[in-house]
Amino acid sequence: GDSVTQMEGPVTLSEEAFLTINCTYTATGYPSLFWYVQYPGEGLQLLLKATKADDKGSNKGFEATYRKETTSFHLEKGSVQVSDSAVYFCALARNTGGFKTIFGAGTRLFVKA
Amino acid sequence: EPEVTQTPSHQVTQMGQEVILRCVPISNHLYFYWYRQILGQKVEFLVSFYNNEISEKSEIFDDQFSVERPDGSNFTLKIRSTKLEDSAMYFCASRADQYYEQYFGPGTRLTVT
Repeated sequence: GDSVTQMEGPVTLSEEAFLTINCTYTATGYPSLFWYVQYPGEGLQLLLKATKADDKGSNKGFEATYRKETTSFHLEKGSVQVSDSAVYFCALARNTGGFKTIFGAGTRLFVKA
Repeated sequence: EPEVTQTPSHQVTQMGQEVILRCVPISNHLYFYWYRQILGQKVEFLVSFYNNEISEKSEIFDDQFSVERPDGSNFTLKIRSTKLEDSAMYFCASRADQYYEQYFGPGTRLTVT
């Protein structure tokens, strides 16, 4: 079945460091891909999305490109801030059936000042 | 900006009791979902609902669970006889149609004692 695999955390970075969180997926068809962020004690916020191959999603300095050939959707940010500390979830949404979202396990990011 | 709302934010119940978690999806959305997140773990799909019926459900969504859209605005998740392992954050989500992302509510934290 469909699945999402993302790098295990936690990831600890210093402020202004470069961030990469790897995400790969397995799916039939052509799913849409998402990154969600969850700040401590809060719900899920959509960070960015891409709906077809080679699309680049971007928001708040974060970027991810839908790579069909490598079935990947890696999250990157050039310069992280302390306020970026959160859990990041890679996810896919199938475009058939009930269109549910399948989440990866989440990667916790700590950014030190 | 329209948003998905959920009540209550925190529910404490005793094992064996019935609970109803409530959600108000975004008004023009057609697809409705429940997910859960056990503390520190991944977000898991429970059920999707479209056109007044369940369109897909996971293995977690057994006979103890039911969903309803009683009045055209609310979307409820009922757990008939709660177990300790039902303790989790429950997220409601809705989407306009299959081409748009899901919008998540802030979640209801269910604690079963």
